[in-house]
Amino acid sequence: NAGVTQTPKFRILKIGQSMTLQCAQDMNHNYMYWYRQDPGMGLKLIYYSVGAGITDKGEVPNGYNVSRSTTEDFPLRLELAAPSQTSVYFCASSYARTSGTNEQFFGPGTRLTVL
Amino acid sequence: GQNIDQPTEMTATEGAIVQINCTYQTSGFNGLFWYQQHAGEAPTFLSYNVLDGLEEKGRFSSFLSRSKGYSYLLLKELQMKDSASYLCAVRSLMDSNYQLIWGAGTKLIIKP
Repeated sequence: NAGVTQTPKFRILKIGQSMTLQCAQDMNHNYMYWYRQDPGMGLKLIYYSVGAGITDKGEVPNGYNVSRSTTEDFPLRLELAAPSQTSVYFCASSYARTSGTNEQFFGPGTRLTVL
Repeated sequence: GQNIDQPTEMTATEGAIVQINCTYQTSGFNGLFWYQQHAGEAPTFLSYNVLDGLEEKGRFSSFLSRSKGYSYLLLKELQMKDSASYLCAVRSLMDSNYQLIWGAGTKLIIKP
């Protein structure tokens, strides 16, 4: 199992440019999440999905969009990049069983700089 | 509101024991997680508590008191590789779904 994979690892964008951060998991998890992590801050939830075709906003969704057409993939779209979106982005996935830990597994992250 | 507090930074000596505290105020509590995050890497799962008491896993133990909104992570026989940030996260029921609320993390520095 590859677990959770993310591409690209690094990216520099100019203000106003668009890009898609890719995320895939091969653990058949139904839940997937996108977080951003700024220096000295906790992880902030951007969007999450409880299954294919279902997405919902997290704490900081403005400036982002997501889709979930398959169980495996959960891309994050930035339409008009702004310097405030400079951050490290983590994708994560988990089971949502009625019992058990249901811990989240994280991808390696994408380090995005907007100049 | 939802709030999680943990110390920003701690320093300890190789071979010693360190306790990292986490206090929380959340609604719809459904468990507390500890994750380890090395610099430049992704968080990795360490422990989970949903009932009061101590969970032991090798050199690491985690404790939970739901009535006090308090948890700690205990690391024994510290090794240099334990230098990392330790993230406390609480799972809460929000908008009919469970979500994790994350603390800012405690950076642990191990000195020889």
